Amino acid sequence: NAGVTQTPKFRVLKTGQSMTLLCAQDMNHEYMYWYRQDPGMGLRLIHYSVGEGTTAKGEVPDGYNVSRLKKQNFLLGLESAAPSQTSVYFCASSYTGQGVGYTFGSGTRLTVV
Amino acid sequence: EDQVTQSPEALRLQEGESSSLNCSYTVSGLRGLFWYRQDPGKGPEFLFTLYSAGEEKEKERLKATLTKKESFLHITAPKPEDSATYLCAVQAGGGSNYKLTFGKGTLLTVNP
Repeated sequence: NAGVTQTPKFRVLKTGQSMTLLCAQDMNHEYMYWYRQDPGMGLRLIHYSVGEGTTAKGEVPDGYNVSRLKKQNFLLGLESAAPSQTSVYFCASSYTGQGVGYTFGSGTRLTVV
Repeated sequence: EDQVTQSPEALRLQEGESSSLNCSYTVSGLRGLFWYRQDPGKGPEFLFTLYSAGEEKEKERLKATLTKKESFLHITAPKPEDSATYLCAVQAGGGSNYKLTFGKGTLLTVNP
Protein backbone atom coordinates (compact mmCIF):
# COMPACT_ATOMS: atom_id res chain seq x y z
CA ASN A 1 0.00 0.00 0.00
CA ALA A 2 1.80 3.12 -1.21
CA GLY A 3 -1.02 5.52 -0.26
CA VAL A 4 0.13 9.07 -1.08
CA THR A 5 3.61 9.53 -2.51
CA GLN A 6 5.33 12.90 -2.76
CA THR A 7 8.43 13.71 -4.77
CA PRO A 8 10.97 15.10 -4.15
CA LYS A 9 11.44 14.78 -0.39
CA PHE A 10 13.89 17.68 -0.15
CA ARG A 11 14.76 20.58 -2.42
CA VAL A 12 16.74 23.79 -2.24
CA LEU A 13 15.85 26.56 -4.70
CA LYS A 14 17.29 29.94 -5.40
CA THR A 15 14.97 32.92 -5.34
CA GLY A 16 13.23 33.24 -8.69
CA GLN A 17 13.66 29.61 -9.74
CA SER A 18 10.69 27.44 -10.57
CA MET A 19 9.83 23.89 -9.64
CA THR A 20 7.01 21.35 -9.54
CA LEU A 21 6.11 19.12 -6.63
CA LEU A 22 4.45 15.86 -7.57
CA CYS A 23 1.81 14.02 -5.57
CA ALA A 24 0.52 10.59 -6.56
CA GLN A 25 -2.15 8.49 -4.83
CA ASP A 26 -3.17 4.91 -5.54
CA MET A 27 -6.45 4.80 -3.56
CA ASN A 28 -8.71 6.08 -6.34
CA HIS A 29 -9.58 9.13 -4.22
CA GLU A 30 -11.52 11.93 -5.88
CA TYR A 31 -10.30 14.76 -3.64
CA MET A 32 -6.72 15.94 -3.35
CA TYR A 33 -5.15 18.79 -1.41
CA TRP A 34 -1.92 20.70 -0.98
CA TYR A 35 -1.09 22.07 2.48
CA ARG A 36 1.94 23.88 3.83
CA GLN A 37 3.24 23.56 7.39
CA ASP A 38 5.32 26.29 8.98
CA PRO A 39 6.82 26.46 12.50
CA GLY A 40 4.36 27.89 15.01
CA MET A 41 1.46 27.69 12.59
CA GLY A 42 -1.11 25.10 11.77
CA LEU A 43 -1.30 23.40 8.41
CA ARG A 44 -2.77 25.76 5.81
CA LEU A 45 -4.59 24.80 2.62
CA ILE A 46 -2.96 26.07 -0.60
CA HIS A 47 -5.09 24.54 -3.38
CA TYR A 48 -7.36 21.57 -3.74
CA SER A 49 -9.10 19.47 -6.37
CA VAL A 50 -12.50 17.79 -6.25
CA GLY A 51 -11.82 15.56 -9.22
CA GLU A 52 -9.81 15.04 -12.38
CA GLY A 53 -9.47 18.23 -14.37
CA THR A 54 -10.62 20.50 -11.53
CA THR A 55 -8.69 22.79 -9.18
CA ALA A 56 -9.64 25.48 -6.68
CA LYS A 57 -7.94 28.00 -4.42
CA GLY A 58 -7.51 27.39 -0.73
CA GLU A 59 -6.47 29.67 2.09
CA VAL A 60 -2.99 30.69 0.86
CA PRO A 61 -2.89 30.24 -2.95
CA ASP A 62 -0.73 33.21 -4.00
CA GLY A 63 2.52 32.24 -5.72
CA TYR A 64 1.37 28.68 -6.47
CA ASN A 65 -0.36 26.94 -9.35
CA VAL A 66 -1.75 23.42 -9.55
CA SER A 67 -2.91 20.92 -12.12
CA ARG A 68 -4.83 17.65 -11.97
CA LEU A 69 -4.68 16.15 -15.45
CA LYS A 70 -4.99 12.59 -14.12
CA LYS A 71 -7.09 11.45 -11.18
CA GLN A 72 -4.14 9.95 -9.35
CA ASN A 73 -1.78 12.93 -9.69
CA PHE A 74 -1.86 16.45 -8.27
CA LEU A 75 0.98 18.82 -9.16
CA LEU A 76 1.98 21.95 -7.24
CA GLY A 77 4.04 24.52 -9.11
CA LEU A 78 6.07 27.46 -7.96
CA GLU A 79 6.72 29.76 -10.91
CA SER A 80 9.14 32.16 -9.20
CA ALA A 81 10.16 30.94 -5.77
CA ALA A 82 10.46 33.37 -2.86
CA PRO A 83 12.03 32.88 0.59
CA SER A 84 8.52 33.13 2.10
CA GLN A 85 7.74 29.85 0.36
CA THR A 86 10.30 27.99 2.47
CA SER A 87 8.12 25.40 4.16
CA VAL A 88 7.17 21.75 4.38
CA TYR A 89 4.54 20.87 1.79
CA PHE A 90 2.07 18.06 2.32
CA CYS A 91 -0.23 16.49 -0.19
CA ALA A 92 -3.34 14.67 1.00
CA SER A 93 -6.27 12.83 -0.51
CA SER A 94 -9.74 11.66 0.52
CA TYR A 95 -12.56 9.70 -1.15
CA THR A 96 -15.07 12.43 -0.35
CA GLY A 97 -14.61 16.08 0.50
CA GLN A 98 -16.45 16.47 3.77
CA GLY A 99 -16.46 14.77 7.11
CA VAL A 100 -13.74 12.23 6.44
CA GLY A 101 -10.09 12.00 7.39
CA TYR A 102 -7.37 12.63 4.88
CA THR A 103 -4.46 10.39 3.91
CA PHE A 104 -1.31 12.51 3.92
CA GLY A 105 1.97 12.02 2.12
CA SER A 106 5.30 12.23 3.92
CA GLY A 107 6.02 15.77 2.79
CA THR A 108 8.49 17.82 0.75
CA ARG A 109 10.86 20.08 2.65
CA LEU A 110 11.56 23.11 0.44
CA THR A 111 14.12 25.78 1.21
CA VAL A 112 14.29 28.94 -0.91
CA VAL A 113 17.53 30.89 -0.52
CA GLU B 1 -13.45 32.67 10.81
CA ASP B 2 -12.86 29.12 12.05
CA GLN B 3 -10.32 28.82 14.85
CA VAL B 4 -8.62 25.93 16.63
CA THR B 5 -6.53 26.31 19.79
CA GLN B 6 -4.67 23.38 21.24
CA SER B 7 -3.26 23.15 24.76
CA PRO B 8 -0.81 22.55 26.17
CA GLU B 9 1.78 23.27 23.48
CA ALA B 10 3.98 20.55 24.94
CA LEU B 11 3.37 17.80 27.48
CA ARG B 12 5.89 15.48 29.07
CA LEU B 13 4.62 12.32 30.79
CA GLN B 14 6.13 9.33 32.45
CA GLU B 15 5.20 5.96 31.00
CA GLY B 16 1.87 4.92 32.48
CA GLU B 17 0.90 8.47 33.54
CA SER B 18 -2.51 9.20 32.00
CA SER B 19 -3.42 12.71 30.81
CA SER B 20 -5.52 14.69 28.33
CA LEU B 21 -4.88 17.05 25.45
CA ASN B 22 -7.34 19.87 24.76
CA CYS B 23 -8.65 21.28 21.49
CA SER B 24 -10.89 24.35 21.72
CA TYR B 25 -12.64 25.43 18.56
CA THR B 26 -15.00 27.94 17.00
CA VAL B 27 -16.59 27.03 13.72
CA SER B 28 -19.66 27.93 11.75
CA GLY B 29 -21.60 24.70 11.79
CA LEU B 30 -19.31 21.79 12.60
CA ARG B 31 -19.04 19.18 9.85
CA GLY B 32 -16.37 17.23 11.67
CA LEU B 33 -13.54 17.45 14.20
CA PHE B 34 -10.45 15.46 13.39
CA TRP B 35 -7.47 14.20 15.38
CA TYR B 36 -4.19 13.36 13.71
CA ARG B 37 -0.85 12.08 14.96
CA GLN B 38 2.36 13.41 13.38
CA ASP B 39 5.78 11.85 13.91
CA PRO B 40 8.94 13.89 13.19
CA GLY B 41 9.63 14.15 9.47
CA LYS B 42 6.37 12.44 8.56
CA GLY B 43 2.95 13.48 7.39
CA PRO B 44 -0.05 13.56 9.73
CA GLU B 45 -1.72 10.20 10.34
CA PHE B 46 -5.50 10.19 10.74
CA LEU B 47 -6.81 8.98 14.10
CA PHE B 48 -10.46 9.97 14.63
CA THR B 49 -13.39 11.95 13.29
CA LEU B 50 -16.04 13.24 15.70
CA TYR B 51 -19.26 14.68 14.33
CA SER B 52 -21.48 15.79 17.20
CA ALA B 53 -21.34 16.75 20.87
CA GLY B 54 -21.31 13.76 23.16
CA GLU B 55 -19.61 11.49 20.68
CA GLU B 56 -16.62 9.42 21.79
CA LYS B 57 -14.15 7.24 19.88
CA GLU B 58 -11.38 4.97 21.08
CA LYS B 59 -8.29 3.41 19.61
CA GLU B 60 -5.91 1.47 21.81
CA ARG B 61 -4.77 3.89 24.56
CA LEU B 62 -6.45 6.92 22.95
CA LYS B 63 -9.97 8.17 23.50
CA ALA B 64 -11.39 11.28 21.86
CA THR B 65 -14.43 13.15 23.16
CA LEU B 66 -16.37 16.13 21.83
CA THR B 67 -18.46 18.93 23.32
CA LYS B 68 -19.91 21.98 21.56
CA LYS B 69 -16.78 24.00 22.27
CA GLU B 70 -13.89 21.59 22.71
CA SER B 71 -12.50 18.14 22.22
CA PHE B 72 -10.25 16.12 24.47
CA LEU B 73 -7.79 13.42 23.54
CA HIS B 74 -7.36 11.22 26.58
CA ILE B 75 -4.25 9.07 26.73
CA THR B 76 -4.44 6.18 29.17
CA ALA B 77 -1.24 4.55 30.47
CA PRO B 78 0.88 5.98 27.65
CA LYS B 79 3.96 4.26 26.29
CA PRO B 80 7.08 5.87 24.77
CA GLU B 81 5.81 4.97 21.30
CA ASP B 82 2.89 7.35 21.87
CA SER B 83 5.36 10.25 21.69
CA ALA B 84 4.38 12.47 18.75
CA THR B 85 2.70 15.74 17.89
CA TYR B 86 -1.09 15.49 18.04
CA LEU B 87 -3.03 17.76 15.70
CA CYS B 88 -6.67 18.79 15.93
CA ALA B 89 -8.61 20.13 12.96
CA VAL B 90 -12.18 21.22 12.23
CA GLN B 91 -14.22 21.38 9.08
CA ALA B 92 -17.15 23.74 8.82
CA GLY B 93 -20.38 22.78 7.16
CA GLY B 94 -21.34 24.14 3.79
CA GLY B 95 -21.82 22.66 0.37
CA SER B 96 -18.45 23.58 -1.10
CA ASN B 97 -16.26 23.87 1.99
CA TYR B 98 -13.43 21.37 1.86
CA LYS B 99 -10.92 23.15 4.06
CA LEU B 100 -9.67 21.76 7.34
CA THR B 101 -8.58 24.37 9.88
CA PHE B 102 -5.73 22.96 11.97
CA GLY B 103 -4.43 23.86 15.39
CA LYS B 104 -0.72 24.22 16.06
CA GLY B 105 -0.54 20.87 17.79
CA THR B 106 0.54 19.43 21.14
CA LEU B 107 3.96 17.82 21.32
CA LEU B 108 3.68 14.79 23.60
CA THR B 109 6.78 13.15 25.02
CA VAL B 110 6.45 9.94 27.04
CA ASN B 111 9.53 8.98 29.00
CA PRO B 112 10.23 5.33 29.90
